Amino acid sequence: DAGVIQSPRHEVTEMGQEVTLRCKPISGHDYLFWYRQTMMRGLELLIYFNNNVPIDDSGMPEDRFSAKMPNASFSTLKIQPSEPRDSAVYFCASATNSGQYFGPGTRLTVT
Amino acid sequence: DAKTTQPPSMDCAEGRAANLPCNHSTISGNEYVYWYRQIHSQGPQYIIHGLKNNETNEMASLIITEDRKSSTLILPHATLRDTAVYYCIVRPSGGTSYGKLTFGQGTILTVHP
Repeated sequence: DAGVIQSPRHEVTEMGQEVTLRCKPISGHDYLFWYRQTMMRGLELLIYFNNNVPIDDSGMPEDRFSAKMPNASFSTLKIQPSEPRDSAVYFCASATNSGQYFGPGTRLTVT
Repeated sequence: DAKTTQPPSMDCAEGRAANLPCNHSTISGNEYVYWYRQIHSQGPQYIIHGLKNNETNEMASLIITEDRKSSTLILPHATLRDTAVYYCIVRPSGGTSYGKLTFGQGTILTVHP
């Protein structure tokens, strides 16, 4: 298995632009998680899905952030409009009923 | 969710056992103890988890005290590649918080040659 796949690995964009991060979970995993990691705040859970349904989005910082999971093999995290404070590494993880398996992350820089 | 307390940093000599402690004194009966690690610039990696019995896998051993208020992750023969931040996390086994992992600051383990 290729593990969790995220794209792009690096994204540099200007303030105000829309950013879309993508994730392909491990086949057969029924949970999908989006995290954000910064030096100041550490690793924070943004939202997670179970069987493609959002379960808890209390970590989504504001309305500029949205996440979708249209099917079991694909999820997106969108930021519109992006701001410099959104600069971070964004991780996607998938899981069954044991441990979560993380992707390599997308490093987002908003200038 | 129960909180965990870990030392901010630890050192270990290569080839020796690394014993990483974690306190979770407010853990409830249906909460699991999970350990993850994050090597620099990579995503966190699942290591092991347990409820009340000691657990062992190819990566590590997990020792949970009988009262479940603390645990120790043991890397039996640490290598330089084990240098990472190690996170101890308590996670509920059911309910709407079932899937949530709350990462704290973790322990920075440095393995020296």
